[in-house]
Amino acid sequence: GAVVSQHPSWVICKSGTSVKIECRSLDFQATTMFWYRQFPKQSLMLMATSNEGSKATYEQGVEKDKFLINHASLTLSTLTVTSAHPEDSSFYICSARDYRGRPTDTQYFGPGTRLTVL
Amino acid sequence: AQKVTQAQTEISVVEKEDVTLDCVYETRDTTYYLFWYKQPPSGELVFLIRRNSFDEQNEISGRYSWNFQKSTSSFNFTITASQVVDSAVYFCALSGLGGSNYKLTFGKGTLLTVNP
Repeated sequence: GAVVSQHPSWVICKSGTSVKIECRSLDFQATTMFWYRQFPKQSLMLMATSNEGSKATYEQGVEKDKFLINHASLTLSTLTVTSAHPEDSSFYICSARDYRGRPTDTQYFGPGTRLTVL
Repeated sequence: AQKVTQAQTEISVVEKEDVTLDCVYETRDTTYYLFWYKQPPSGELVFLIRRNSFDEQNEISGRYSWNFQKSTSSFNFTITASQVVDSAVYFCALSGLGGSNYKLTFGKGTLLTVNP
């Protein structure tokens, strides 16, 4: 299957700092990438849809200025958590849509980034 | 709005037992995709299967099998002869086709523990 990487896999930062998370599709071009957030023992909640070359579409309740998303190329999307606070601590997962025509239209997930804000 | 219900929060079985994970969905779309993903303790989601709504054939892949019943809006997942390595959280998910409809809606997941 398709491979999606995330970097870093974990990060610990001080409150007030900004953290950037990268999501890369390694063996396919992804015009659309998705960012999810997962709290312990809970399901994945979609934060935003990132389209290459255009602005991200955020889900209701997700602060655009807090979670900056950039999708500068067909293989890279970045999520920046600005002025992070302890409540932003979570597991962030990206996915990339591998669309090379049906039936391969499937989302593949990165390994996730565990963010801890002290 | 789309909704996925996984009523079983946790299931515990003994190795070699068969286990079925239930998934019921709601959607107004006439065409859609259904998925199952596995999330082991490492956290990475592993894609298991995608099913189109217009294809109701059941599928078997090794010890895994899926039963898609459009009449009852269910897409259940069975593991035959379970193994300890099957222990993970399993998510059922639903998406529409095309554009913004492609967003995945996840169920809350079922934690499967397979004991030796």
